[in-house]
Amino acid sequence: KAGVTQTPRYLIKTRGQQVTLSCSPISGHRSVSWYQQTPGQGLQFLFEYFSETQRNKGNFPGRFSGRQFSNSRSEMNVSTLELGDSALYLCASTNRVDEQYFGPGTRLTVT
Amino acid sequence: DAKTTQPPSMDCAEGRAANLPCNHSTISGNEYVYWYRQIHSQGPQYIIHGLKNNETNEMASLIITEDRKSSTLILPHATLRDTAVYYCIVRVPLRDYKLSFGAGTTVTVRA
Repeated sequence: KAGVTQTPRYLIKTRGQQVTLSCSPISGHRSVSWYQQTPGQGLQFLFEYFSETQRNKGNFPGRFSGRQFSNSRSEMNVSTLELGDSALYLCASTNRVDEQYFGPGTRLTVT
Repeated sequence: DAKTTQPPSMDCAEGRAANLPCNHSTISGNEYVYWYRQIHSQGPQYIIHGLKNNETNEMASLIITEDRKSSTLILPHATLRDTAVYYCIVRVPLRDYKLSFGAGTTVTVRA
């Protein structure tokens, strides 16, 4: 069974630009969550999507947004990038018994 | 407001069992114990979870004390690829939608 895939794996952007990250969950999983991980703050929840609807949201500014498509694939977008947005962005796909499986992450560097 | 306590680090010899302790003395009746691990620069990997009975899967065994105030994750035959940070968390499945990791235990498997 294929795992969670995230693209791209690495990204370098400049302050003020925007970025879109993509996540394909495990087949059959309808819930996708996004996290930001940094050495200082650890794992921080961004949002969760289920059946194309945002079901839960973390404490991040409106520059961070996401969406989910009918095939459960999800994207997250960060606009007006700041240096502090440099992080590992993780997508997690959740099955019916609430086991979360993470993708390899997208390493975003903002310069 | 950490709900679990883990030792910061431990070493293990390759081929031997690794026993990772976790204290969760304030665990409530409907909270499960979950274990994840994260190999450097990769996404977290779900290992196992349990409520009160001991659990085993292809990766590890989870032993939960009768009072549920502590647990031990057992990697039966540690390999160098098991070197990672291991996180123990408690959560209510299908209710606690976001994961929050503490500092975890850095496990180093030595040849």
